[in-house]
Amino acid sequence: KQEVTQIPAALSVPEGENLVLNCSFTDSAIYNLQWFRQDPGKGLTSLLLIQSSQREQTSGRLNASLDKSSGRSTLYIAASQPGDSATYLCAVRGNYGQNFVFGPGTRLSVLP
Amino acid sequence: ETGVTQSPTHLIKTRGQQVTLRCSSQSGHNTVSWYQQALGQGPQFIFQYYREEENGRGNFPPRFSGLQFPNYSSELNVNALELDDSALYLCASNPGFMNTEAFFGQGTRLTVV
Repeated sequence: KQEVTQIPAALSVPEGENLVLNCSFTDSAIYNLQWFRQDPGKGLTSLLLIQSSQREQTSGRLNASLDKSSGRSTLYIAASQPGDSATYLCAVRGNYGQNFVFGPGTRLSVLP
Repeated sequence: ETGVTQSPTHLIKTRGQQVTLRCSSQSGHNTVSWYQQALGQGPQFIFQYYREEENGRGNFPPRFSGLQFPNYSSELNVNALELDDSALYLCASNPGFMNTEAFFGQGTRLTVV
């Protein structure tokens, strides 16, 4: 059974810092991995999708990497801004199912 | 904006009642999935529909049921509501291929009292 963990559970940083959010999964037989952002009480906003054959994806200030063999992904946020404050969720899709297994999320606060 | 819309946005029901939540998927997306997100946790997979057929189910009891319509919109029905059913219910759609990006709606906040 796939299990996904995220470290840290919460993070508070001053504006302008570069930061790294970590995601680990127990079963490396994944099809892809997607990072999402969730504002309080809201739905999920897709940030980046990484296929299992890829090593990383970039969008603006965001960069996500994937090391499938070690069961890890990282989300790098450059030059953080207060508007980045949200919960960041990592989700993996297995080879034999189309549903996502989500981690519990990292709650990020960027202080002005 | 993702193009996935859910209704209603908020709902309060009494224990034992039944509820129907609705999802309109993004244009061209024939796969719809439903997730339950309890406060402070990641979403949990309920089930998925592909071209009007259930195509996978998570660890939820049969009182959670669903439908997908020919226009690919979907409903989630929950019978005999329990207090623990209080959660944010999320709908996601994608074009039906595993390598595609999934897009989520804004969710329906269900409170069972």
